[in-house]
Amino acid sequence: SQTIHQWPATLVQPVGSPLSLECTVEGTSNPNLYWYRQAAGRGLQLLFYSVGIGQISSEVPQNLSASRPQDRQFILSSKKLLLSDSGFYLCAWSSLGQGAGNTIYFGEGSWLTVV
Amino acid sequence: GQNIDQPTEMTATEGAIVQINCTYQTSGFNGLFWYQQHAGEAPTFLSYNVLDGLEEKGRFSSFLSRSKGYSYLLLKELQMKDSASYLCAPGSTLGRLYFGRGTQLTVWP
Repeated sequence: SQTIHQWPATLVQPVGSPLSLECTVEGTSNPNLYWYRQAAGRGLQLLFYSVGIGQISSEVPQNLSASRPQDRQFILSSKKLLLSDSGFYLCAWSSLGQGAGNTIYFGEGSWLTVV
Repeated sequence: GQNIDQPTEMTATEGAIVQINCTYQTSGFNGLFWYQQHAGEAPTFLSYNVLDGLEEKGRFSSFLSRSKGYSYLLLKELQMKDSASYLCAPGSTLGRLYFGRGTQLTVWP
């Protein structure tokens, strides 16, 4: 069966510090990978989307970036965090293809507080 | 682009039935997903509709009308554990999934 893991689960970072969140998927090949963010009291915002190694689509201009160095590894980074970057970050995956096969499954999430 | 509209909050009592509505406008529509999200946790998949009509899955049912850009999630025999946020998400042939802001359901004893 497929599993998805992301870490760290919780982190507190000062403004201006770098960020690295990592996510790995097991049990599937060539998945679509996603990074979402959920700010306090707000909906899920799609940040990045990837269909393959090195292929990243950015949904929202910001000081975050994403990389996919391996087929089942997705990394969210920032060189300098802002207070507004605080939130609940979720990595997710889906299979290639259409229909219910495009169901997205989420990792456990990472709580980021920028202070 | 996409535009997703669902009520912000709803309340109901244990054992009751509640219907959460969602209207949407999206490019390359490819089915409608519903997710459940408990406070502090990641969303979990509930249902998927690609054709018009009602899909039943235990206490939960989901309805879709593609021509109207409308879906609803029906929850029967409500339990306290059903208190959560319910997220409507129209799928896209582009592979991306965009979510509504969610409906916070509170179930009272």
